[in-house]
Amino acid sequence: DGGITQSPKYLFRKEGQNVTLSCEQNLNHDAMYWYRQDPGQGLRLIYYSQIVNDFQKGDIAEGYSVSREKKESFPLTVTSAQKNPTAFYLCASIEQGGQPQHFGDGTRLSIL
Amino acid sequence: EDKVVQSPLSLVVHEGDTVTLNCSYEVTNFRSLLWYKQEKKAPTFLFMLTSSGIEKKSGRLSSILDKKELFSILNITATQTGDSAVYLCAVEPPGGSQGNLIFGKGTKLSVKP
Repeated sequence: DGGITQSPKYLFRKEGQNVTLSCEQNLNHDAMYWYRQDPGQGLRLIYYSQIVNDFQKGDIAEGYSVSREKKESFPLTVTSAQKNPTAFYLCASIEQGGQPQHFGDGTRLSIL
Repeated sequence: EDKVVQSPLSLVVHEGDTVTLNCSYEVTNFRSLLWYKQEKKAPTFLFMLTSSGIEKKSGRLSSILDKKELFSILNITATQTGDSAVYLCAVEPPGGSQGNLIFGKGTKLSVKP
């Protein structure tokens, strides 16, 4: 079955620690996205990538970093510079023909 | 300021009721407007609207777009407890990077038995 797999489902971060959230897709989609969702808020764009080895900052990129070395993979690192990382993180991808974006099941990140 | 505004933010109804969710936006010449349903995890796609006045329908759900007045509505008739979810509206802006979406904050719908 084609889809987007995010792991882990739950993640805990200690103070001063970097953590990496995984996002893998086997849909052969070119573009991939990372969103952050806080309670009562919509999805806010962190980073996106339209092709391998290229990515752009979204609206709230500070404290986050990404890489896109393979078409299938778009990992997100939450760095220690992100002072309020507790949130639900969603990864999405889109085929070349256009919408809609398809989403993974998300990773819930909390601070220990 | 928010470019995509959904109302109401939350809504409680009883099974069998009909509900109308609203999405207004301040994005002109957008490429498309999308509705998603989010239960516990991944938002699932419901509708994509690009033309004004053409209703999209899927079972008890329907949606329509008014490009002149810059809004869309999502209707759910004969609601069921399984319709309880957050409904997200998103707009694909013109220019820039194709595929990007601007999301509203969502409407949380609770359907009581």
